[in-house]
Amino acid sequence: GAGVSQTPSNKVTEKGKYVELRCDPISGHTALYWYRQSLGQGPEFLIYFQGTGAADDSGLPNDRFFAVRPEGSVSTLKIQRTERGDSAVYLCASSLTGGKLGNTIYFGEGSWLTVV
Amino acid sequence: AQSVTQPDIHITVSEGASLELRCNYSYGATPYLFWYVQSPGQGLQLLLKYFSGDTLVQGIKGFEAEFKRSQSSFNLRKPSVHWSDAAEYFCAVSGNTGKLIFGQGTTLQVKP
Repeated sequence: GAGVSQTPSNKVTEKGKYVELRCDPISGHTALYWYRQSLGQGPEFLIYFQGTGAADDSGLPNDRFFAVRPEGSVSTLKIQRTERGDSAVYLCASSLTGGKLGNTIYFGEGSWLTVV
Repeated sequence: AQSVTQPDIHITVSEGASLELRCNYSYGATPYLFWYVQSPGQGLQLLLKYFSGDTLVQGIKGFEAEFKRSQSSFNLRKPSVHWSDAAEYFCAVSGNTGKLIFGQGTTLQVKP
């Protein structure tokens, strides 16, 4: 498709379980971002990839969160030992080159994660 | 610290009335500024952006915003609101890493 695609759109998991969320960016976009949006809040930055490498992972809340982008396109956000506080919408976004050129960042519809 | 403040959590306007949503930012360098809209079950859609040049920026759906450096503000305006404009609006700032910092959002309700 033409936009940023995220799967699954909804995920319910039990506390303590492992979860993977997938993001397929717009074709040709080298910059990829993950954000987390809790109810009633604005999105909060998690991590930014430029190509295959994580250029900025300062937003990852703790070592239970990890993200990869092995081939510079699709990215997976991995959450270990999920906690109820991880429940949120996880948003993926991409841009043509990111950074200094101030390219427009396009968002996917998000993956709703509920930890019960 | 870099931050964005949207002072109004919830705003209600009548259809056809004018709209102004406030946004103040704190950023050490020259900011890039954005307004996004989020409808229920939808992704964030870019309304407009400011990088440099003319401080009055035109966006989609009849929206505009004005960058005022002296007030550290980037308020969003629309002359006449339509019922379909009801949504959550987010102001955001970024620097040269492309990382967006969002405000808490303003929920717009439109009365018929």
